[in-house]
Amino acid sequence: DAGVTQSPTHLIKTRGQQVTLRCSPKSGHDTVSWYQQALGQGPQFIFQYYEEEERQRGNFPDRFSGHQFPNYSSELNVNALLLGDSALYLCASSPGGETQYFGPGTRLLVL
Amino acid sequence: GENVEQHPSTLSVQEGDSAVIKCTYSDSASNYFPWYKQELGKGPQLIIDIRSNVGEKKDQRIAVTLNKTAKHFSLHITETQPEDSAVYFCAARYNTDKLIFGTGTRLQVFP
Repeated sequence: DAGVTQSPTHLIKTRGQQVTLRCSPKSGHDTVSWYQQALGQGPQFIFQYYEEEERQRGNFPDRFSGHQFPNYSSELNVNALLLGDSALYLCASSPGGETQYFGPGTRLLVL
Repeated sequence: GENVEQHPSTLSVQEGDSAVIKCTYSDSASNYFPWYKQELGKGPQLIIDIRSNVGEKKDQRIAVTLNKTAKHFSLHITETQPEDSAVYFCAARYNTDKLIFGTGTRLQVFP
């Protein structure tokens, strides 16, 4: 059984560009949450998707948006990238929301 | 507000000794407290969790205790081994399924 997978593993962008990150949840999991982890800090909740709807959102601007597909996979989109968006972006899946299992993350560098 | 405090930020122990990491949460409505281990370049790995209707939970060398009155919970690792070296994060669940993380503890186990 494959765990949570994310792509790409690394990404370099320049300020002002847009980026799309992808996540495939564990088999049987229907809920996907996204977190941002800056260097040396704990993960910060961005938002959560369930039944293709954004169920809950953290304190992130509208530049951060997402989507969940019928197969439960998810995308995180970030527009108008800022230097401060450089971080490890983590996807976590859960069967209904509580116990969350994380993927390996996508490391984004904004130059 | 939503906050989880974690101490200490770094912890060094000799192989075979015990390690204790402590966390405090702010919202008395929180009812689920997971602990994650994060190795360099990887995503957080769930190692143990506890729900608010339980005071203690143990899994081999790892145990977690919860004091709901004081809003404290702690991770205990006994008979530490070099492969226990990593960054450990506590978290508390707020508002359905949003996890708020502590700032992390870097544990080093010396042979």
